[in-house]
Amino acid sequence: KQEVTQIPAALSVPEGENLVLNCSFTDSAIYNLQWFRQDPGKGLTSLLLIQSSQREQTSGRLNASLDKSSGRSTLYIAASQPGDSATYLCAVTNRGSTLGRLYFGRGTQLTVWP
Amino acid sequence: NAGVTQTPKFQVLKTGQSMTLQCAQDMNHEYMSWYRQDPGMGLRLIHYSVGAGITDQGEVPNGYNVSRSTTEDFPLRLLSAAPSQTSVYFCASSYSETAGNTIYFGEGSWLTVV
Repeated sequence: KQEVTQIPAALSVPEGENLVLNCSFTDSAIYNLQWFRQDPGKGLTSLLLIQSSQREQTSGRLNASLDKSSGRSTLYIAASQPGDSATYLCAVTNRGSTLGRLYFGRGTQLTVWP
Repeated sequence: NAGVTQTPKFQVLKTGQSMTLQCAQDMNHEYMSWYRQDPGMGLRLIHYSVGAGITDQGEVPNGYNVSRSTTEDFPLRLLSAAPSQTSVYFCASSYSETAGNTIYFGEGSWLTVV
């Protein structure tokens, strides 16, 4: 069974810092990996999707990398802002399973203070 | 464009009662799914559907029932509510199962079973 782990569980940083969120998964036979953002009392918003054949994806100040062989992904946030405060979730889709079936980590709760 | 709409947002049930969580999407998406999110845990898949008339079980299907009579709607039924079903429920949809399609989440339904 696929297990997804996110470290750290919580992170508090001052505005302007560059930071890295980590995600690891036990079964490297994945189809893709996604990073989501969840605001309190809200649903999930997809940030970045990396196909298994890709090494990284970028969107604005966000960069996600994927090392499938080692079962790891990182989400890099540049020049963090208070508006980045949210919970960030990592999810993978396994090869051979229903492609829309996601396995989620528990998330990293990020607080960026002014 | 409303996206994925869930109702109700909050509900309190007594043990043994039944109820239906509604989910509707207006994006003509084929794939729809239900997840539950519990404190300190990642989202877990309950049931999913790859099109009208087709449903299947996810990771934690016991105590829940679904049907997909139309493309737009995917209701989740709790047959006899139990305190263990106290959770936040999220409905999600995407154009198809194909990897690479953005998945959209509703804003969640908070359910408490007493």
